[in-house]
Amino acid sequence: QTVVTQEPPFSVSPGGTVTLTCGLSSGSVTINNYPSWYQQTPGQAPRALIYTTNTRSSGVPARFSGSILGNKAALTITGAQADDECHYYCALYMGNGIWVFGGGTKLTVL
Amino acid sequence: QVQLVESGGGVVQPGGSLRLSCAASGFTISDYGTHWVRQAPGKGLEWVALVRNDGTNTYYADSVKGRFTISRDNSKNTVNLQMNSLRPEDTAVYYCAKDFAWHFDSWGQGTLVTVSS
Repeated sequence: QTVVTQEPPFSVSPGGTVTLTCGLSSGSVTINNYPSWYQQTPGQAPRALIYTTNTRSSGVPARFSGSILGNKAALTITGAQADDECHYYCALYMGNGIWVFGGGTKLTVL
Repeated sequence: QVQLVESGGGVVQPGGSLRLSCAASGFTISDYGTHWVRQAPGKGLEWVALVRNDGTNTYYADSVKGRFTISRDNSKNTVNLQMNSLRPEDTAVYYCAKDFAWHFDSWGQGTLVTVSS
């Protein structure tokens, strides 16, 4: 059973830069996993931020960027703002129509 | 404007069945794949199922395979999720999401399913 790993709760200072990662319990994340990232505030549906590794969804600020760092997918927030405080989830395509979400990272901005 | 609206959630006893619907507007559902994703109370997101835009190819998470069936009704522009043999661990908010460019592009607001005696 493949597990997609994300960091435990994380904090960043306002204006700071933070990188969240998305890995696999076995193996490396590549562009062929089509990594995507989602933002979710309490009580709301998730919102797509980044797809196919590094493409920003419509309306997403440029301070959000995606990449592959080593053997993981990464979401970087440059110049964090108070309303970036929420849960972040990654999703990976595992092939054969199967998708897996990471467990999510709760980001605090303080 | 793309909109997805889920319905059909409710309280059901273990072993029971429920049928969820996802009504799409602003686009033709047969042009895209559609996913179901669920979120148990206080937990993270779990991918459940996908029906591709051809309407024929369907895929399921191991946790629901053999119990859940995803299907599409092009005449109503909806995607359905038939859930049988429900278990307490199936309790969650169920979201439908439009598949586009290898990601979950647009999401509905979700419908709550509670499996409890």
